Amino acid sequence: GAVVSQHPSWVICKSGTSVKIECRSLDFQATTMFWYRQFPKQSLMLMATSNEGSKATYEQGVEKDKFLINHASLTLSTLTVTSAHPEDSSFYICSATRGTGNTIYFGEGSWLTVV
Amino acid sequence: GNSVTQMEGPVTLSEEAFLTINCTYTATGYPSLFWYVQYPGEGLQLLLKATKADDKGSNKGFEATYRKETTSFHLEKGSVQVSDSAVYFCALRPYGGATNKLIFGTGTLLAVQP
Repeated sequence: GAVVSQHPSWVICKSGTSVKIECRSLDFQATTMFWYRQFPKQSLMLMATSNEGSKATYEQGVEKDKFLINHASLTLSTLTVTSAHPEDSSFYICSATRGTGNTIYFGEGSWLTVV
Repeated sequence: GNSVTQMEGPVTLSEEAFLTINCTYTATGYPSLFWYVQYPGEGLQLLLKATKADDKGSNKGFEATYRKETTSFHLEKGSVQVSDSAVYFCALRPYGGATNKLIFGTGTLLAVQP
């Protein structure tokens, strides 16, 4: 079946630096990708929806200048956490789909720890 | 607003035991309901779904029935295996909402011992 892959699976970065997480659809063209974050013992929260070639749509309360999302191709979306802070430490998951009404495939997630 | 509440884990069972993971929801109208499973080191996978009241979703021996009267979608399996060890997420898609906007519960870790 279709596979969505995230990289890196684990990352540790220093406060104030930026870190990029990649989300790739390996065997299909993903017109839409989604980014979620999950804090310990909390739900997955949708951060933003990105459509290939256009600006991401952010959910209320998510800072677009802090969480930069790029979806430049049909197989790759990136999430860049800028000026990382320990409060940004979380589990980030992406998902991808061919389009509305199609199956949604999830990546394996990326653990970010900011020290 | 819309929300999903599922039982906290971890749930630890012996092989062949009966499994129930509770899930209740709050939503207006008739949302669609889902169970996703995440095996170690892998992404979330759709396990089963139900789109209207009294529907029963089933897959791989797992079942869940959409109960409007109790706003519940509990996951059950009659006889668990070690290979069922994973994190299980209950989720809903609001009625009339965009197809891909899902609201998740916190996830429940299931550990099955041989």
